[in-house]
Amino acid sequence: QQQVKQSPQSLIVQKGGISIINCAYENTAFDYFPWYQQFPGKGPALLIAIRPDVSEKKEGRFTISFNKSAKQFSLHIMDSQPGDSATYFCAASMGGSNYKLTFGKGTLLTVNP
Amino acid sequence: GAGVSQSPSNKVTEKGKDVELRCDPISGHTALYWYRQSLGQGLEFLIYFQGNSAPDKSGLPSDRFSAERTGGSVSTLTIQRTQQEDSAVYLCATKFRVDNEQFFGPGTRLTVL
Repeated sequence: QQQVKQSPQSLIVQKGGISIINCAYENTAFDYFPWYQQFPGKGPALLIAIRPDVSEKKEGRFTISFNKSAKQFSLHIMDSQPGDSATYFCAASMGGSNYKLTFGKGTLLTVNP
Repeated sequence: GAGVSQSPSNKVTEKGKDVELRCDPISGHTALYWYRQSLGQGLEFLIYFQGNSAPDKSGLPSDRFSAERTGGSVSTLTIQRTQQEDSAVYLCATKFRVDNEQFFGPGTRLTVL
């Protein structure tokens, strides 16, 4: 049972465009939703995270939109840059489960110059 | 000010051999997680340590996998009688007890021939 479903698997965007990655979850007990960015040969690094008591969180060019009723959340990257080219993972966790992360399968983003 | 470190960075072994993977957490981080990153499977939780509490081993795929955390610091993940399907990147992550953010190490790439 895949608890966090992520789409698309890959995404190609032109420089300056908007990148949108979507995730859906099944377990309503999840209470923390981070996005991780991973470059080749490196471990994932936290990009931005949200809790279900807010519908949107913005940090610079990165925005999470959260829809609790639909059990969906998405990452928007505004003014995408070639340096944003990486694999992005959505994840979810809950305090009652020791905060272990359940990850989506990842999206490979390529931003063309 | 070092981050999470893991060793070795790469490990090539023959089927049937035992391997040990090491994780050095960020100083002061009491929680430690092991994840496995396989092609097509994304990141999967393996095991979680928090202080002196009993570890959460719910993600270990078989009894060939075990992990220890000595003195609440360094952790070792051991895979006995390795199989080709164990080939993956093994990631360690740590966090401060009261925070949500997990900091990942660079991973150990394990190849079982």
